[in-house]
Amino acid sequence: EDKVVQSPLSLVVHEGDTVTLNCSYEVTNFRSLLWYKQEKKAPTFLFMLTSSGIEKKSGRLSSILDKKELFSILNITATQTGDSAVYLCAVGLGVGTASKLTFGTGTRLQVTL
Amino acid sequence: SQTIHQWPATLVQPVGSPLSLECTVEGTSNPNLYWYRQAAGRGLQLLFYSVGIGQISSEVPQNLSASRPQDRQFILSSKKLLLSDSGFYLCAWSMGGRDSPLHFGNGTRLTVT
Repeated sequence: EDKVVQSPLSLVVHEGDTVTLNCSYEVTNFRSLLWYKQEKKAPTFLFMLTSSGIEKKSGRLSSILDKKELFSILNITATQTGDSAVYLCAVGLGVGTASKLTFGTGTRLQVTL
Repeated sequence: SQTIHQWPATLVQPVGSPLSLECTVEGTSNPNLYWYRQAAGRGLQLLFYSVGIGQISSEVPQNLSASRPQDRQFILSSKKLLLSDSGFYLCAWSMGGRDSPLHFGNGTRLTVT
């Protein structure tokens, strides 16, 4: 059975801290790993990673994939209260022509003043 | 730019009543369409996906069905709701092909009483 595990389950940090969120996976037919941010309703897309060792960066957020060790990390530097959300990791499976994603249960991040 | 609309935002229905949730996408043609359910403490679970009009793939056996009567319209239905159908339902779209990220609607919070 395909599995995506995120850690920690939840995290409370102070504004300005740096955080690292983890995602490990065991799936067949791996094609991609995606990160999403979910604040209240719709998860919003952050990154898609397909190659090992290549960092993707957007502002204070960055992510990297290790396909040998089967994990990815999402880093957030200089956290702000607006970063408070649930961060979801998903793995895209290579069957058919649709982007079928298997999701982890998420890491709930709370950034306090 | 592409937008996805999902309605209603919340719904309370008695056990045994029918269900119809609708999702439409604007600004793109021939998208892949998806229905996910998010239960408390669990990851998003893929219910159905469609790569074209009239084509539906079901991922899990359940009390629900899906239809795609038009290119950019996706409907989730049930003839008789169960208590276990309660949850947060998310519609999503992606470009055709396997390596495209999903973009989610704002979801419908369904409570079956």
